[in-house]
Amino acid sequence: KQEVTQIPAALSVPEGENLVLNCSFTDSAIYNLQWFRQDPGKGLTSLLLIQSSQREQTSGRLNASLDKSSGRSTLYIAASQPGDSATYLCAVSTIKAAGNKLTFGGGTRVLVKP
Amino acid sequence: KAGVTQTPRYLIKTRGQQVTLSCSPISGHRSVSWYQQTPGQGLQFLFEYFSETQRNKGNFPGRFSGRQFSNSRSEMNVSTLELGDSALYLCASSPGLAGLNEQFFGPGTRLTVL
Repeated sequence: KQEVTQIPAALSVPEGENLVLNCSFTDSAIYNLQWFRQDPGKGLTSLLLIQSSQREQTSGRLNASLDKSSGRSTLYIAASQPGDSATYLCAVSTIKAAGNKLTFGGGTRVLVKP
Repeated sequence: KAGVTQTPRYLIKTRGQQVTLSCSPISGHRSVSWYQQTPGQGLQFLFEYFSETQRNKGNFPGRFSGRQFSNSRSEMNVSTLELGDSALYLCASSPGLAGLNEQFFGPGTRLTVL
């Protein structure tokens, strides 16, 4: 059974500092991994999708890396801003004969202080 | 393109009642997945519908059911509500199967069971 862990559960940084968010998974037979952002009481916003054949994906200040063999993905956010304050979740699509299943991590709550 | 919409946004019910939630996917998307989000359990997968067929199911009791219509709109039903069903219910759509494609989430329906 796939288990996805995000450590730390919460993070507080001063504005301008780079953010490093971690996601680890136990089953390396993944199809893709997706990073999301969630603001309080809202739905999830897709940030980046990395296919299992890719090592990294970039969008603006965001860069996500994937190391399938070690079961890890890292989301980097450069030059953080107060508007980056949110909860960040990763979701792993695990390959199953009956159909891929998505498993979410518990999220990392980020606070960027002005 | 309009995003994923969910109705209603907020709902208050009492124990024993039943509830129906609705989700309209992004135009052209054929897959709709449902998730339950609670502070204690995080985001948990309920089920996925693709082309009106349930493709995948999470570990929830039979009180939770769903369906998808020919226009890809989906409904989720919870019967005999329990206090523990209080949660944010999120739906997500994707152009193909959820495990193979990027997912786009709606704003959620906040269900409170009294």
